[in-house]
Amino acid sequence: DGGITQSPKYLFRKEGQNVTLSCEQNLNHDAMYWYRQDPGQGLRLIYYSQIVNDFQKGDIAEGYSVSREKKESFPLTVTSAQKNPTAFYLCAIGTSGNTGELFFGEGSRLTVL
Amino acid sequence: DQQVKQNSPSLSVQEGRISILNCDYTNSMFDYFLWYKKYPAEGPTFLISISSIKDKNEDGRFTVFLNKSAKHLSLHIVPSQPGDSAVYFCAAANNAGNMLTFGGGTRLMVKP
Repeated sequence: DGGITQSPKYLFRKEGQNVTLSCEQNLNHDAMYWYRQDPGQGLRLIYYSQIVNDFQKGDIAEGYSVSREKKESFPLTVTSAQKNPTAFYLCAIGTSGNTGELFFGEGSRLTVL
Repeated sequence: DQQVKQNSPSLSVQEGRISILNCDYTNSMFDYFLWYKKYPAEGPTFLISISSIKDKNEDGRFTVFLNKSAKHLSLHIVPSQPGDSAVYFCAAANNAGNMLTFGGGTRLMVKP
């Protein structure tokens, strides 16, 4: 079944712990993105990667880290340095062409207690 | 500084009537504009887009209008249906298409 898989869908962690969110795709797309959604603020770009072994900071990269060792995988680590980690995290892939259209995963909700 | 703004956080419309969702942008380098629909606890799904060389794009009940001089776009849904109730995000991309910049979203409620 083709698509994007994010896991876990829900995650609870204690303050000060690092957390890694998984994003896997089998659509063979080069570009992958991580967005964060907060109420009333839309989606804000955390990191993106356009090719294996390369990634770029987005608008709100502080307190996050990523890796892109394989084309199909783009995990996001929310570190203890992220001051407000509780949010809904969305992974996306870029579709072909330069229209900017993204295809999103189902999201992961992280709650830090 | 928000480059893409949706000034109405919510909109309520009667079933069968027209829904008009608005979006303003400030960056004249944006070349493509997109609308996404999002249900709670799900990822956004692409709805419709428009290139900056056009002023209108239609797809079934959904029409997007672009006014470049005013840096304004709108999404019209007619007739509105209860299943259209969701949060709608406006987004814009530059000609490199590397990143989308999103607005804050508008929650549409269509009442039966």
